[in-house]
Amino acid sequence: DTEVTQTPKHLVMGMTNKKSLKCEQHMGHRAMYWYKQKAKKPPELMFVYSYEKLSINESVPSRFSPECPNSSLLNLHLHALQPEDSALYLCASSQEALEGKSEAFFGQGTRLTVV
Amino acid sequence: GENVEQHPSTLSVQEGDSAVIKCTYSDSASNYFPWYKQELGKGPQLIIDIRSNVGEKKDQRIAVTLNKTAKHFSLHITETQPEDSAVYFCAASIMGDKIIFGKGTRLHILP
Repeated sequence: DTEVTQTPKHLVMGMTNKKSLKCEQHMGHRAMYWYKQKAKKPPELMFVYSYEKLSINESVPSRFSPECPNSSLLNLHLHALQPEDSALYLCASSQEALEGKSEAFFGQGTRLTVV
Repeated sequence: GENVEQHPSTLSVQEGDSAVIKCTYSDSASNYFPWYKQELGKGPQLIIDIRSNVGEKKDQRIAVTLNKTAKHFSLHITETQPEDSAVYFCAASIMGDKIIFGKGTRLHILP
């Protein structure tokens, strides 16, 4: 099983709403990632969790708040977003975050629209 | 930090012909180079990868080469088929915890 599952697939939210994106993997991977992808652009790294600890925050605005409740789950809490935050949000996981030892598998993404 | 350049941005090849996509990276510490295929509305799918201790790797119609000295790596797709049409991203990884992507190549397979 090489599946990373993201929910919901689509989300429309207002600028005053609070919502959460969810990601789940059951491959025993210890590193999980959030990426943001705008149309016709490559994915851009937002956060990295390694062994359930936040190891990298790529200077992401505080209106995005990641959470890793356990080694299989990764959430991204959204609050007071702007229309320019509309994008495809991708979750990925890999076996080890160190030494480039393992490939990263991506989920299908959540298409977020902020209105 | 790492910077990955990818060329061309768009590539059209006749069905059955070969396609080549080239990338360069800037940080000599990068040691892992995956290639992803992304179809419309889907997440990136890992199609092949290569590590810095290997010069070439092949998987059926797909091959990747790595020149560490020149900091170049390339994707070769032979006998292209319509289902190969997609956006392809090269990437480089330092220590495995940051995957830096190239800007992508939109590959069109012409009938």
